[in-house]
Amino acid sequence: RKEVEQDPGPFNVPEGATVAFNCTYSNSASQSFFWYRQDCRKEPKLLMSVYSSGNEDGRFTAQLNRASQYISLLIRDSKLSDSATYLCVVNRLGGYSTLTFGKGTMLLVSP
Amino acid sequence: EPEVTQTPSHQVTQMGQEVILRCVPISNHLYFYWYRQILGQKVEFLVSFYNNEISEKSEIFDDQFSVERPDGSNFTLKIRSTKLEDSAMYFCASSVGRGHNSPLHFGNGTRLTVT
Repeated sequence: RKEVEQDPGPFNVPEGATVAFNCTYSNSASQSFFWYRQDCRKEPKLLMSVYSSGNEDGRFTAQLNRASQYISLLIRDSKLSDSATYLCVVNRLGGYSTLTFGKGTMLLVSP
Repeated sequence: EPEVTQTPSHQVTQMGQEVILRCVPISNHLYFYWYRQILGQKVEFLVSFYNNEISEKSEIFDDQFSVERPDGSNFTLKIRSTKLEDSAMYFCASSVGRGHNSPLHFGNGTRLTVT
């Protein structure tokens, strides 16, 4: 099983749509969870941390299910500017701060 | 907003040559990292650095790689004898602390091309 596994993409959605990304992780001892976004050939940028109780930041909602080792990201009212690759990220086995990245899911929002 | 800066943005080198990639982390950050991303693949951890020593490294970070913080601001990654498979985007990152409340901030990367 891969350390961090994400939905294969790309997701093609129209503006205004709601889109959900799923992610599973293999290390049950993971403590830190994040969603990053990466534009083509650019650096990863933190979108949001993911907390056990779930958290929301504007149009973005993240959920964590520790029992299932599952993380999700929901984007409501998609904008053209949301087009990017979304990376699910957890801390590495044995590393409290070093990170393991999923391969990412590409989102394409069209007019 | 303070940012991590990396130079050069693109480095082309011949196989077997040494390269040094440079990074200036955010000034009040204490933890420094190098990651790499081969084209079309996921971002991979190379090494973390704290208190002037390596705190963790991956299996990718073999004897060909080294890191250094030569002064109070720079953080460098050296590849002694580059191989074709070292071609990738190399990202430097830094964080204030460890864990959930200290997310990593990434620089805009150095694209290394080994010919």
